[in-house]
Amino acid sequence: EDQVTQSPEALRLQEGESSSLNCSYTVSGLRGLFWYRQDPGKGPEFLFTLYSAGEEKEKERLKATLTKKESFLHITAPKPEDSATYLCAVQLRAQGGSEKLVFGKGTKLTVNP
Amino acid sequence: KAGVTQTPRYLIKTRGQQVTLSCSPISGHRSVSWYQQTPGQGLQFLFEYFSETQRNKGNFPGRFSGRQFSNSRSEMNVSTLELGDSALYLCASSWGGAGGAFFGQGTRLTVV
Repeated sequence: EDQVTQSPEALRLQEGESSSLNCSYTVSGLRGLFWYRQDPGKGPEFLFTLYSAGEEKEKERLKATLTKKESFLHITAPKPEDSATYLCAVQLRAQGGSEKLVFGKGTKLTVNP
Repeated sequence: KAGVTQTPRYLIKTRGQQVTLSCSPISGHRSVSWYQQTPGQGLQFLFEYFSETQRNKGNFPGRFSGRQFSNSRSEMNVSTLELGDSALYLCASSWGGAGGAFFGQGTRLTVV
């Protein structure tokens, strides 16, 4: 069965304290890996797409990396406004030539000032 | 460019009732997917529609159904509501596949 596991479930950081979030996956037919940010009561906001091992993407204080079995979301010198739940999703080939996203349960990040 | 729009934002229904949720995708997007999000299970895939055809379906009972119209707008219907159906229902749209799907703000359904 396709599985996506995110760790830790929750992370508290002080402003400026860098850290990494992990997303490990056991799937067949990976087509891509996605990172989203979700604020309370809102829909997920797309951050990055990674397609092959070794690929890296950056946006402001965030950098996402991908290996054959996991992805990391590195947060450098975070600010309180980075507080959110970060979701990882793998894109798989589904029936009928379509695709689907399988999500992890997320990491809730809190950055204290 | 307008994003994905979901209506209504909030709903309170009674057990046994049925409900219809609506999703308007980003202009030009032909794929619409629906997800259920709960604190315990996270985001779970319900189904995907592309050009008015259901291409893929998740592991949910037949009480959950959907459709897509020729303008790519989609509706999701849940019949005979149960307490466990209380969740945030999210719609996502993309040009073709699920990749890079853009989400709406969701509809918060509470079943009492």
